[in-house]
Amino acid sequence: QKEVEQDPGPLSVPEGAIVSLNCTYSNSAFQYFMWYRQYSRKGPELLMYTYSSGNKEDGRFTAQVDKSSKYISLFIRDSQPSDSATYLCAMSAFSGGSNYKLTFGKGTLLTVNP
Amino acid sequence: DSGVTQTPKHLITATGQRVTLRCSPRSGDLSVYWYQQSLDQGLQFLIQYYNGEERAKGNILERFSAQQFPDLHSELNLSSLELGDSALYFCASSARQFYGYTFGSGTRLTVV
Repeated sequence: QKEVEQDPGPLSVPEGAIVSLNCTYSNSAFQYFMWYRQYSRKGPELLMYTYSSGNKEDGRFTAQVDKSSKYISLFIRDSQPSDSATYLCAMSAFSGGSNYKLTFGKGTLLTVNP
Repeated sequence: DSGVTQTPKHLITATGQRVTLRCSPRSGDLSVYWYQQSLDQGLQFLIQYYNGEERAKGNILERFSAQQFPDLHSELNLSSLELGDSALYFCASSARQFYGYTFGSGTRLTVV
């Protein structure tokens, strides 16, 4: 079983739709949970991060973590064509010394159609 | 501009050759990470350096090596290249290790 599983999509939605992106994980040691956005031919950029179960909101984006179910989600409200990108979940766990190991999901390709 | 600079942006080379990818981290970041991204494997961690010292190794092949120099820039050396090494190679840097990596724009390597 992979440490992080992410539905690869692709996901195509109309403008204004609510988008739900999800990841599951198997490693209970994961402490920090992140979402990255990657536009075509660009590097991933950090969108949101959280370390506790519950919701964290930033504008149209809400990150949700459920540690008991080992499940994280990213919700995008009022989706815009500019949100079209690949979204990657990422999680980090302490790996000894002062090191943390960051593990990425494979990414979900989202297209928002005008 | 993320502040992490990678050169070159594109590289086309033949099998069996050796190439060097370069990365300048964001100002003040001591950690540098190298990742390989392919369509089927996603983002795969290769290696991490912190202030000139190797800190962690991931799925890095023996044909690949890296180093971080005193000015904190890093180089990833890929040798005896194979067709399967064609991928996007990203460098990232961070001040804190547990989150907040800043990625460069990547080097697209094509081995022919």
